[in-house]
Amino acid sequence: DTAVSQTPKYLVTQMGNDKSIKCEQNLGHDTMYWYKQDSKKFLKIMFSYNNKELIINETVPNRFSPKSPDKAHLNLHINSLELGDSAVYFCASSQILSGTDLAGYTFGSGTRLTVV
Amino acid sequence: DQQVKQNSPSLSVQEGRISILNCDYTNSMFDYFLWYKKYPAEGPTFLISISSIKDKNEDGRFTVFLNKSAKHLSLHIVPSQPGDSAVYFCAASGIRVNAGKSTFGDGTTLTVKP
Repeated sequence: DTAVSQTPKYLVTQMGNDKSIKCEQNLGHDTMYWYKQDSKKFLKIMFSYNNKELIINETVPNRFSPKSPDKAHLNLHINSLELGDSAVYFCASSQILSGTDLAGYTFGSGTRLTVV
Repeated sequence: DQQVKQNSPSLSVQEGRISILNCDYTNSMFDYFLWYKKYPAEGPTFLISISSIKDKNEDGRFTVFLNKSAKHLSLHIVPSQPGDSAVYFCAASGIRVNAGKSTFGDGTTLTVKP
């Protein structure tokens, strides 16, 4: 049973289109994230939601709009897609723990977006 | 400004030997450090973490060392196995830094030769 699942796995679309990527986690975590991995393999945070509330919004074009209908889901909608949006987008979840240990994020398998 | 750096893009070791992956950071406010492993076409998988109050954490074949004065951490894998071949990311996190989100390095590709 997949812990963090994203759909679709691959997405090829034309410039100017609007597309959505969906993410769901069944771990009961209270925080979810969107990360972007560019062509240089660098993982960069885009958004973070805690219990449906936006807590991190990095410098991302406002064409990108996250939506969290409940704490198990975090979707990413992208308007007016551009060539530079081509990347792998990872959804992740975590549970903030107290104490000295950090469990780390659980990542989805990624969505490879190609804008042509 | 890249706050977490992995200066070696690749590392190749022989099966059975030790693999040492290195990571440097610039922000002394980070509280936790983590290592992830990533296979092609999969998401990163959490491996091991260490709190800034410790200098070593061990889990089976994996040990993470933290040198706070040098702002340096390393991941040791002993003995290395071919299945360890993957991209390894270090990450740093802290409540007082970037609202607690993890900042990732750009990865080191480890190849373990049989």
